[in-house]
Amino acid sequence: KQEVTQIPAALSVPEGENLVLNCSFTDSAIYNLQWFRQDPGKGLTSLLLIQSSQREQTSGRLNASLDKSSGRSTLYIAASQPGDSATYLCAVRFLYSGGGADGLTFGKGTHLIIQP
Amino acid sequence: ETGVTQSPTHLIKTRGQQVTLRCSSQSGHNTVSWYQQALGQGPQFIFQYYREEENGRGNFPPRFSGLQFPNYSSELNVNALELDDSALYLCASSLAVGNYNEQFFGPGTRLTVL
Repeated sequence: KQEVTQIPAALSVPEGENLVLNCSFTDSAIYNLQWFRQDPGKGLTSLLLIQSSQREQTSGRLNASLDKSSGRSTLYIAASQPGDSATYLCAVRFLYSGGGADGLTFGKGTHLIIQP
Repeated sequence: ETGVTQSPTHLIKTRGQQVTLRCSSQSGHNTVSWYQQALGQGPQFIFQYYREEENGRGNFPPRFSGLQFPNYSSELNVNALELDDSALYLCASSLAVGNYNEQFFGPGTRLTVL
């Protein structure tokens, strides 16, 4: 079964720290991996998408890496701010998902709190 | 450019009823996907529509059905509602070009089944 796991489930750090969120997936045959942010009770905001042929993507203070062979991705957040507090979700589009076609497989997310 | 919109924002139904949720895709997008997100969980893929045809389905029973219209908007229909259907229903649109398919999500519809 294709699964996505995120560690840690929750994280609380003081403002200004750099931090890393982890994502692992069970099958290295993927099209791409996408990181999302979700505020409480809201929809998902796309942060970064990494194609299977890429190693990393950067947007502002965010950097996402992809190691397809080991089935891992990390999201690095530099100089964290209270406004970064949210749940961060990792989602993978697997190559062979049976009847799932282009559906994304999500992890359960990392709930991040940045303390002022 | 208009983003993905969904209606209604909240809905309360009773067990056994039927519900229809609506989604307007982002301008220029040709593919719509629906996801169910239970409290404290990641979203789960329900199905995807491309050019008005179902293009893949997750592990959901047939009472979950959908439609995509010529303007690429979409509906999710759920029959014979069960208590476990209570969740946030998310719609995502994308422009499928080869293997590139970045999905953009709407704000969701919160469904409560009593």
